[in-house]
Amino acid sequence: QKEVEQDPGPLSVPEGAIVSLNCTYSNSAFQYFMWYRQYSRKGPELLMYTYSSGNKEDGRFTAQVDKSSKYISLFIRDSQPSDSATYLCAGRDTGRRALTFGSGTRLQVQP
Amino acid sequence: EPEVTQTPSHQVTQMGQEVILRCVPISNHLYFYWYRQILGQKVEFLVSFYNNEISEKSEIFDDQFSVERPDGSNFTLKIRSTKLEDSAMYFCASSDENSGGFGELFFGEGSRLTVL
Repeated sequence: QKEVEQDPGPLSVPEGAIVSLNCTYSNSAFQYFMWYRQYSRKGPELLMYTYSSGNKEDGRFTAQVDKSSKYISLFIRDSQPSDSATYLCAGRDTGRRALTFGSGTRLQVQP
Repeated sequence: EPEVTQTPSHQVTQMGQEVILRCVPISNHLYFYWYRQILGQKVEFLVSFYNNEISEKSEIFDDQFSVERPDGSNFTLKIRSTKLEDSAMYFCASSDENSGGFGELFFGEGSRLTVL
């Protein structure tokens, strides 16, 4: 069973749309949940992280974690063409250093 | 802004050859990592390194792989005898994580390894 699953997309939306990106995970030990953005031929860049269940907002980005359903979401408001990238979700448990990534969702925001 | 730097950006090698990928982590960071991403696949954890020793490794990180911090600034990944399936983008990362806390991983831009 894959530990973190993510729809690969591509997801194409018009500029200004609200984007919803989602992941499911299977490892109950995960306590930290992260969203990374990866532009083509670049390394992943951390967007947001949350600890345990709950919501976290940072500007146009909102991350949600529901540990009861093992579901992770990232919402992007007022999407911009510069948001076009691959979005990776990841989980980590407190006893380990390793991040377990999803396969990434490619987002295209059309101007 | 501090950043993780990696060299080379692209290396082509013959199967069976040894390869060393180099990284300069952010200077005040304590943890160092290697991840890899085979084309079209997930970013996968290889190894973490703290206090001059491996703190964690994945099943991918077998005896063909080794890591070293040869001086105060560099962190290297060595693949002793490359195989075709080692072709991937290798990312170095570092973090300043303290015990019990979350430390953001800062990734380099990657070293693309092509094994022929």
